[in-house]
Amino acid sequence: GAVVSQHPSWVICKSGTSVKIECRSLDFQATTMFWYRQFPKQSLMLMATSNEGSKATYEQGVEKDKFLINHASLTLSTLTVTSAHPEDSSFYICSARDLQGVYQPQHFGDGTRLSIL
Amino acid sequence: GQQVMQIPQYQHVQEGEDFTTYCNSSTTLSNIQWYKQRPGGHPVFLIQLVKSGEVKKQKRLTFQFGEAKKNSSLHITATQTTDVGTYFCAGTPKGGSEKLVFGKGMKLTVNP
Repeated sequence: GAVVSQHPSWVICKSGTSVKIECRSLDFQATTMFWYRQFPKQSLMLMATSNEGSKATYEQGVEKDKFLINHASLTLSTLTVTSAHPEDSSFYICSARDLQGVYQPQHFGDGTRLSIL
Repeated sequence: GQQVMQIPQYQHVQEGEDFTTYCNSSTTLSNIQWYKQRPGGHPVFLIQLVKSGEVKKQKRLTFQFGEAKKNSSLHITATQTTDVGTYFCAGTPKGGSEKLVFGKGMKLTVNP
């Protein structure tokens, strides 16, 4: 149980392109989803917290107009990297929590490796 | 800001050895969670500790939450090659928002 599907796994595109990444909870309803960025050999950096039906809460230093997050249903959140540039190349990973409350574990997707040429 | 530090960052052991890795928070935590990320994979939830001084075991892994709820440890006995990966601790600062603060991880390699 508690499977999170993230799509696509890999994206290679030209500078200036916008890229949409989907995060789905397959067998549970996720009231809260999280988007992280992970640099090579480093930890998970929280970008934003997404709650179903409301605006995402972005971490300090994360541009909300650059990284658009939509959480329109209890099973789907999307992250759109707008006008991506080479410095946006990274590993993006989402996680979902199935019940409200801090004592629930986060279930992670497989991640999306984004390469901007 | 709130920080969670893990030591060591890298651990290389011989198969069969025991070792302990530590997680220290700059602030008191409501809970602490441990995740394991295999090479090329995503983090997988291992366990959660909530109570002060709590100890939980999963086969060869023993997790402990400090009395002050500011630190935690993971002890692995008789390390196996299947234990290879990066272990992250993550805590929720007490009185703060719901988000988890992740440590930088401890990368474990095992010599067979």
